[in-house]
Amino acid sequence: GEDVEQSLFLSVREGDSSVINCTYTDSSSTYLYWYKQEPGAGLQLLTYIFSNMDMKQDQRLTVLLNKKDKHLSLRIADTQTGDSAIYFCAFDSSYKLIFGSGTRLLVRP
Amino acid sequence: KAGVTQTPRYLIKTRGQQVTLSCSPISGHRSVSWYQQTPGQGLQFLFEYFSETQRNKGNFPGRFSGRQFSNSRSEMNVSTLELGDSALYLCASSLEGQGTHNEQFFGPGTRLTVL
Repeated sequence: GEDVEQSLFLSVREGDSSVINCTYTDSSSTYLYWYKQEPGAGLQLLTYIFSNMDMKQDQRLTVLLNKKDKHLSLRIADTQTGDSAIYFCAFDSSYKLIFGSGTRLLVRP
Repeated sequence: KAGVTQTPRYLIKTRGQQVTLSCSPISGHRSVSWYQQTPGQGLQFLFEYFSETQRNKGNFPGRFSGRQFSNSRSEMNVSTLELGDSALYLCASSLEGQGTHNEQFFGPGTRLTVL
């Protein structure tokens, strides 16, 4: 079955860059996603990348996809305190999303 | 355009009871998915409906069921509640579901506590 792993916790200083990593086993997904969840809220789609792309940039967000190593990352430039949240990578498979365990990002002032 | 709405937002039940959760998708969206979020298991897929048909089902016991109505609104039902069913239940809607990129918009969730 599919397996998606993320590190549990990341702490950065405000203004620094954050890099959140995700590794996966199933490589058949067409789209790979990054979601953000703030306390008490649902999931918000941040960005996505098509599986035949290596990189996608969207304002402060950069997504890197290494299909050979089955590694997906999300870089947040100039991280702000409002970026503190849980970040999930996700993959589409047969009308469902498979989520990683989530990385809690803490931004220190 | 209104977002995905879920009712109720909070629910407390006791073991053995049953519960029905409701989800109203964004207007025009025909696909509705349900996910269970717990601290131990993370986000797990329950089922997905499109035009009143279940297209995929996750690995949950038969106590978990769902349905979709002709107006795309969806309900999920959990019978004979167990303590382990305590979770945040998230509903997501999209225009057409996965396969092509159709962004899934999530509701705020229903927090179910089973005592």
